[in-house]
Amino acid sequence: AQTVTQSQPEMSVQEAETVTLSCTYDTSESDYYLFWYKQPPSRQMILVIRQEAYKQQNATENRFSVNFQKAAKSFSLKISDSQLGDAAMYFCAYRANFGNEKLTFGTGTRLTIIP
Amino acid sequence: EAQVTQNPRYLITVTGKKLTVTCSQNMNHEYMSWYRQDPGLGLRQIYYSMNVEVTDKGDVPEGYKVSRKEKRNFPLILESPSPNQTSLYFCASSLFGDSPLHFGNGTRLTVT
Repeated sequence: AQTVTQSQPEMSVQEAETVTLSCTYDTSESDYYLFWYKQPPSRQMILVIRQEAYKQQNATENRFSVNFQKAAKSFSLKISDSQLGDAAMYFCAYRANFGNEKLTFGTGTRLTIIP
Repeated sequence: EAQVTQNPRYLITVTGKKLTVTCSQNMNHEYMSWYRQDPGLGLRQIYYSMNVEVTDKGDVPEGYKVSRKEKRNFPLILESPSPNQTSLYFCASSLFGDSPLHFGNGTRLTVT
């Protein structure tokens, strides 16, 4: 079974600084997707960024980028120029590219932005 | 506006009193699913549906039922709720393949 591990329950960063959230996963599949979701206090689940495993290039969305290391099964999220609105719970998630489109989630990292 | 709508947003009930959480999507998605979110556990899949009349268990199906009579609706039924089903519930939908999962806004359920 696939598992996703987020080893940092809480992180904090000064406003305008850069922070990296860690995620590792375990799978025997070669074709899959990885995601980072943001959950602010409103409880919404907001897709931040997505990475296809077959793509070697790291995904980037504005201030958010990932470091995808397939061999190491590592998928970290870097947030540059942190803003107060980035404060949220961040979940890493895995999805195999077949069958049930189930997302397997990590336990989350709560990110605090210090003004 | 494309969205997944869940109702109610908050629900407090007592042990054993049947309840239904509704979920509806307006994007013509084939795939729908339910997750529960608990502290320290992340989100876990309860049930999913690949299309009308096609449903299957996820990782934590015990105590829940679902039905998919129409493509847009996927209600979650708790026939006899228990306190261990107190949780935050999310409905989600997507097209198959290379498309992201769209989440509803969540239902906070408390069973006393």
